[in-house]
Amino acid sequence: ETGVTQSPTHLIKTRGQQVTLRCSSQSGHNTVSWYQQALGQGPQFIFQYYREEENGRGNFPPRFSGLQFPNYSSELNVNALELDDSALYLCASSLELAFGEQYFGPGTRLTVT
Amino acid sequence: EDQVTQSPEALRLQEGESSSLNCSYTVSGLRGLFWYRQDPGKGPEFLFTLYSAGEEKEKERLKATLTKKESFLHITAPKPEDSATYLCAVQASGGSNYKLTFGKGTLLTVNP
Repeated sequence: ETGVTQSPTHLIKTRGQQVTLRCSSQSGHNTVSWYQQALGQGPQFIFQYYREEENGRGNFPPRFSGLQFPNYSSELNVNALELDDSALYLCASSLELAFGEQYFGPGTRLTVT
Repeated sequence: EDQVTQSPEALRLQEGESSSLNCSYTVSGLRGLFWYRQDPGKGPEFLFTLYSAGEEKEKERLKATLTKKESFLHITAPKPEDSATYLCAVQASGGSNYKLTFGKGTLLTVNP
């Protein structure tokens, strides 16, 4: 069974640029959630995708957007990067919508300069 | 709004010195409470799910318990490899049941 994978591992961008982060869900999982984790903080929910549709969204501006593909992999896109967007971005997959256990990938460390 | 508060923020133990971490939560209706372990620079690793007050789960040196207002993660005779940040999260049973709301975590350091 393959776990959740994310790419890239690290990324450095300049303020104002755009970035795309990628996630492959665990085998058999059809729900993907994205979280932002700032240093010293717990993960904060960005949004969730279920069968290619956005299912819920946290308190993040529209410049944070996402996609889920038919194979349940997912992308997180962030436009007009700000310094405060520097964080660890985590993808989590779960077996079915709203089922408890979410399994996290290793994350993408984004640094905005 | 769902809220999770973890205490202490940091805990330093000697190897073999048992202790407990606390997670207090406020949620309109609890679907589940989750404990994760996170090593530096890594994603959270799932440990336990608790669904109802009185429930207990165990894994090696860890035991998680749940009441209507809080959860405890008991660590018995810890080893240095138990050093990590332990995160608690809740999932609501109502309209926002798609997300996990996390606390800030407890950084546990176990000295040999």
